[in-house]
Amino acid sequence: GAVVSQHPSRVICKSGTSVKIECRSLDFQATTMFWYRQFPKQSLMLMATSNEGSKATYEQGVEKDKFLINHASLTLSTLTVTSAHPEDSSFYICSARDPGRLYEKLFFGSGTQLSVL
Amino acid sequence: RKEVEQDPGPFNVPEGATVAFNCTYSNSASQSFFWYRQDCRKEPKLLMSVYSSGNEDGRFTAQLNRASQYISLLIRDSKLSDSATYLCVVISSTGNQFYFGTGTSLTVIP
Repeated sequence: GAVVSQHPSRVICKSGTSVKIECRSLDFQATTMFWYRQFPKQSLMLMATSNEGSKATYEQGVEKDKFLINHASLTLSTLTVTSAHPEDSSFYICSARDPGRLYEKLFFGSGTQLSVL
Repeated sequence: RKEVEQDPGPFNVPEGATVAFNCTYSNSASQSFFWYRQDCRKEPKLLMSVYSSGNEDGRFTAQLNRASQYISLLIRDSKLSDSATYLCVVISSTGNQFYFGTGTSLTVIP
């Protein structure tokens, strides 16, 4: 079964609304989770690294005030796209690493397809 | 220079063909290597880990060349269902950082 659970899988919203995406690690406590964005026919782009109990680390060019990340517990990280606009329409995926198995594979959520009208 | 370089393709091959992808990495101290497969609008799924001794899983063979700092994925007897994007992932020596290739698009044609 899934090790990382991501919800919702699909969101359609009006421009200007905020959308929250949840990412949960089910089998381990993830001190670090990662958020990616992927536009059609493009590669995964790391947006930010979510750290439990502290501020997220954002990649260059990613607006931290627009993409709010909260990692309040060892099993849950949330990404909120604030005041979404059509250009924010994309596929958002989270991943987590088991801190006891750093050299092993990444666990991915199933992704969220966001469509902003 | 990017940490991981991968030819984006696309590769269009006929059914039954053999196709190979390479991925180069810049840090010689990198520790772990993986190939992931990603279907359209789905999450990446682990295809194979890559070991120095090389490893094979059915029609898929992965190899690591530390001297030349590249990993490869060979797919034999391609099936239509192999059509996807193949991503290489490299984990740093500390285990704290990982790097994705841009992905190589493969389309297997009937």
